[in-house]
Amino acid sequence: AQKVTQAQTEISVVEKEDVTLDCVYETRDTTYYLFWYKQPPSGELVFLIRRNSFDEQNEISGRYSWNFQKSTSSFNFTITASQVVDSAVYFCALSSNFGNEKLTFGTGTRLTIIP
Amino acid sequence: DAGVIQSPRHEVTEMGQEVTLRCKPISGHNSLFWYRQTMMRGLELLIYFNNNVPIDDSGMPEDRFSAKMPNASFSTLKIQPSEPRDSAVYFCASSRGRAGGPYTGELFFGEGSRLTVL
Repeated sequence: AQKVTQAQTEISVVEKEDVTLDCVYETRDTTYYLFWYKQPPSGELVFLIRRNSFDEQNEISGRYSWNFQKSTSSFNFTITASQVVDSAVYFCALSSNFGNEKLTFGTGTRLTIIP
Repeated sequence: DAGVIQSPRHEVTEMGQEVTLRCKPISGHNSLFWYRQTMMRGLELLIYFNNNVPIDDSGMPEDRFSAKMPNASFSTLKIQPSEPRDSAVYFCASSRGRAGGPYTGELFFGEGSRLTVL
């Protein structure tokens, strides 16, 4: 069975601070995909990034960066110089590489950026 | 391009009534997903279709729930009879699927249908 754990239920930081959202996953598959989605107050989920289990390179996109460590089964997400617009619920998700497209989501981390 | 379109955005109904939620996926997408979001259980996959065929319905809670995809551009999720514990936000999502090009796994979500059963 697959499982995604986001231990941080809620985080609040002051604007311009850096913040890291943790994600730990469990899977028996040798190949899989990891994702981060953002759910802003408007409600719809927005795709942020996908990572293949073969590729452990960290990725940076503007103020966002992702740290994938297979050894610890973690896929953490860091926002640098946070902004109020970053306030949202962030979900980590996992899918198998073997034909089934279903995503298993974590319970989400509600991030509040205080102006 | 239009995104995933869901209707209604909000539905308030009384226990025992039939509820039908509708979804129009993004044109050209081969896979369609129905998710339910609640505070207690988070995001749960109810069912997903590939090329209009149900692939995995293991998340459908019970016989009161049914989903159909009569064609590539339309899907419904029906609850009959509805109960207060069905109150949730129901999301529809679509993706290119594995046959629609390089697999990305990216799901495109609709804005959700917020259901309240009194």
